[in-house]
Amino acid sequence: GENVEQHPSTLSVQEGDSAVIKCTYSDSASNYFPWYKQELGKRPQLIIDIRSNVGEKKDQRIAVTLNKTAKHFSLHITETQPEDSAVYFCAARGGSNFGNEKLTFGTGTRLTIIP
Amino acid sequence: GAGVSQSPSNKVTEKGKDVELRCDPISGHTALYWYRQSLGQGLEFLIYFQGNSAPDKSGLPSDRFSAERTGGSVSTLTIQRTQQEDSAVYLCASSLFTTGGQKNTEAFFGQGTRLTVV
Repeated sequence: GENVEQHPSTLSVQEGDSAVIKCTYSDSASNYFPWYKQELGKRPQLIIDIRSNVGEKKDQRIAVTLNKTAKHFSLHITETQPEDSAVYFCAARGGSNFGNEKLTFGTGTRLTIIP
Repeated sequence: GAGVSQSPSNKVTEKGKDVELRCDPISGHTALYWYRQSLGQGLEFLIYFQGNSAPDKSGLPSDRFSAERTGGSVSTLTIQRTQQEDSAVYLCASSLFTTGGQKNTEAFFGQGTRLTVV
């Protein structure tokens, strides 16, 4: 089955600097890669996602890049703000064939923005 | 409803008792997922449904855990003879997933059920 690895497990950056979180996946059939943000005591919420037919997607200060050949994808947050402090999870989901809808998550990155 | 709804929000049970956790997905969503999250930990996959079928139940920790989904909608996760190590937040998520993928959506999470076994 799919295996998703995520690094680093913790990350502290100065406010205003950039943060990068990286994930690798094992199943080349995976074609959808979402990123979720979970604030303390809250449910995970999608912040950005990318499908395998594109290499990069950007939404304001957040961007995701995908390298299908190397089977890795990354989350980039620029101009970080204190409210970016949270745990971030990457995930991978399989192809459209029946049985490949499983959503597998990485182990999470605790991001702390230092004012 | 507008989002994924889970009940109860909190459940305290005595060791050895059975518990049932309920998930109401977003109307029309075909895929439903159950995850477990221990304090400060990641999202541990338990089982997922496509319609009423469970193609992958590999994450269920033991035969004390079971889940069902009826009518392609509501799902129930049952834990029999609860143990203290079952204490965690149980999260449900749903998404629309169709063959071909044109209308696939993100997975939306419920608020979770915090289970405490004493």
